[in-house]
Amino acid sequence: DAGITQSPRYKITETGRQVTLMCHQTWSHSYMFWYRQDLGHGLRLIYYSAAADITDKGEVSDGYVVSRSKTENFPLTLESATRSQTSVYFCASGFPLQGAAHEQFFGPGTRLTVL
Amino acid sequence: AQSVAQPEDQVNVAEGNPLTVKCTYSVSGNPYLFWYVQYPNRGLQFLLKYITGDNLVKGSYGFEAEFNKSQTSFHLKKPSALVSDSALYFCAVRDPANDYKLSFGAGTTVTVRA
Repeated sequence: DAGITQSPRYKITETGRQVTLMCHQTWSHSYMFWYRQDLGHGLRLIYYSAAADITDKGEVSDGYVVSRSKTENFPLTLESATRSQTSVYFCASGFPLQGAAHEQFFGPGTRLTVL
Repeated sequence: AQSVAQPEDQVNVAEGNPLTVKCTYSVSGNPYLFWYVQYPNRGLQFLLKYITGDNLVKGSYGFEAEFNKSQTSFHLKKPSALVSDSALYFCAVRDPANDYKLSFGAGTTVTVRA
């Protein structure tokens, strides 16, 4: 089915472990984004990617790593999870390779708990 | 730098009454403005956007928003609220010169009582 999917939907891990959150979109959108949602902060941008092999930091990128070897996938890795990274993580995509759609489309989110 | 403010953490209205969710923004150029809605345990859903043209924008589920450049506002409105409109609403802004990044407000929780 077309759309944007995230996996896992829920994850519990321990401090210091490496965790990878997956994101896959079927629209061939050129841009993909990772946000975290925390109470009182709205959504904050972690990383974004303009195309395959092009990534850039957002406002809260410390402790996170991304890659984008294929247009449709944009995994987010927490190299050594900390309790402050407990959050809900949303992946989004937008801006088709051709055309002028302006909005971003969001995945269902991954709720990550770091113990 | 671009930013968005949603001055109300919560808005409570009775079903059938008008609903307004406030948003003000700050950008260096002409803004692209968006409203998203989030239902419990779900991702954000796009409601409407202002890019250019008519200041009154109509969107999904009967919502509309009015762009006011002089007041730097983009308030979301619905003439007659439904219980099913109860959700978390986010305003977002993009400066077209700022590389496709969105800045979100902190969100406003809307509760519509029957």
